[in-house]
Amino acid sequence: DTGVSQDPRHKITKRGQNVTFRCDPISEHNRLYWYRQTLGQGPEFLTYFQNEAQLEKSRLLSDRFSAERPKGSFSTLEIQRTEQGDSAMYLCASSSLFGTGHEKLFFGSGTQLSVL
Amino acid sequence: DAKTTQPPSMDCAEGRAANLPCNHSTISGNEYVYWYRQIHSQGPQYIIHGLKNNETNEMASLIITEDRKSSTLILPHATLRDTAVYYCIVRPRGNNAGNMLTFGGGTRLMVKP
Repeated sequence: DTGVSQDPRHKITKRGQNVTFRCDPISEHNRLYWYRQTLGQGPEFLTYFQNEAQLEKSRLLSDRFSAERPKGSFSTLEIQRTEQGDSAMYLCASSSLFGTGHEKLFFGSGTQLSVL
Repeated sequence: DAKTTQPPSMDCAEGRAANLPCNHSTISGNEYVYWYRQIHSQGPQYIIHGLKNNETNEMASLIITEDRKSSTLILPHATLRDTAVYYCIVRPRGNNAGNMLTFGGGTRLMVKP
């Protein structure tokens, strides 16, 4: 079990630059989630994929944010024209589904973004 | 729209049981109670979940009241490594799109030597 992998762990960028984060889920998981977490708060849902289809997007996901999951494997989250308010931890999770209706999420360690 | 209420922080002595409460008075009959925890600088980690019966696994026990309006997560012998933020979450049973986990503020548990 290699777990969910996120890259990079830390990213420092200047305001106005574009950044891209990568998430590699657990290989047999077909669901993938992106969350954002600011200091002292719980994670907030951003978007969700079932295989390669993006099925849900939060209102938090402005048009500067775009996520993809080509071929239903790894996923990328891009932020264009970064703003200081984008500074946060970006978490990725993939999930196992059970016949009981239970879904167990496995989270990566996140990418910490700092926008200067 | 938080569906759960948890105390913001708790302390526990190492080796003692940690009992973390959660109120979910508006829970519906088809919603699970989930507990996740987040250790500093890591992503959240699944602990346990339940519907209406008490549950136990290698990490913890979950006690759900008969009316399902509250629950308690029990760490039987807390260690320093259990220091973390603990999140109680209710989520509809079923694997439909949109049943994502909604995190609140959680309880910051500090285990002290």
